Amino acid sequence: QVHLVESGGGVVQPGRSLRLSCVVSGVTLSKYGIHWVRQTPGKGLEWVAVISYDGSNIHYVDSVKGRFTISRDNSKNTVFLQMTSLRHEDTAVYFCAKDRGRVIVTASDFDSWGQGTLVTVSS
Amino acid sequence: SVLTQPPSVSAAPGQKVTISCSGGSSTIGNNPVSWYRHLPGTSPKILIYDNDKRPSGVPDRFSGSKSVTSATLVIAGLQTGDEADYYCGTWDSGLDSGWVFGGGTKLTVL
Repeated sequence: QVHLVESGGGVVQPGRSLRLSCVVSGVTLSKYGIHWVRQTPGKGLEWVAVISYDGSNIHYVDSVKGRFTISRDNSKNTVFLQMTSLRHEDTAVYFCAKDRGRVIVTASDFDSWGQGTLVTVSS
Repeated sequence: SVLTQPPSVSAAPGQKVTISCSGGSSTIGNNPVSWYRHLPGTSPKILIYDNDKRPSGVPDRFSGSKSVTSATLVIAGLQTGDEADYYCGTWDSGLDSGWVFGGGTKLTVL
């Protein structure tokens, strides 16, 4: 059974940084793309970023380009989201989700999700 | 949102409800659609992938379809436990490639 566990959330001041981690078990991580998706309070799901199975294909939503960096360490079954220059509007529950495929060119869909980690940007 | 969903739908237990998802040529027109159910405070769950396929464990009360640049989720035999937010999603192959979700539809079972 696939299991994804996020960590690293917390309260942070605007302009500061935070790094989220997503540990994946129950599957060979090196075969799959991984996404970060967030849900802001009272709003819907917003896709944030994706990294392909080998890290060669990466995409971000416009609002985080230049501020967030997604990366992975397949040897540690872990995907990261480095968030810098955080803004109030980045406050959300952040989920990592496994793609059904490798995301060589496009993503397929999200067949497994973590439980989420809360990031609060507040002064 | 790049994908348009009705904000809310409602129906009585036992009835059927349809949730629409409208996109364009760079999204639904060129990529498969998936559907997700989300109860705030929990993890989202996939209901439909590749437009009309159900993962194992998803009841056949849930069905999906796609036509050109629109997709539809149908939930038959509504149960009170179906109350949740439902999202469509697909890849956007446009200039700024990336995944897109619809704005979400809140289902109320009366």
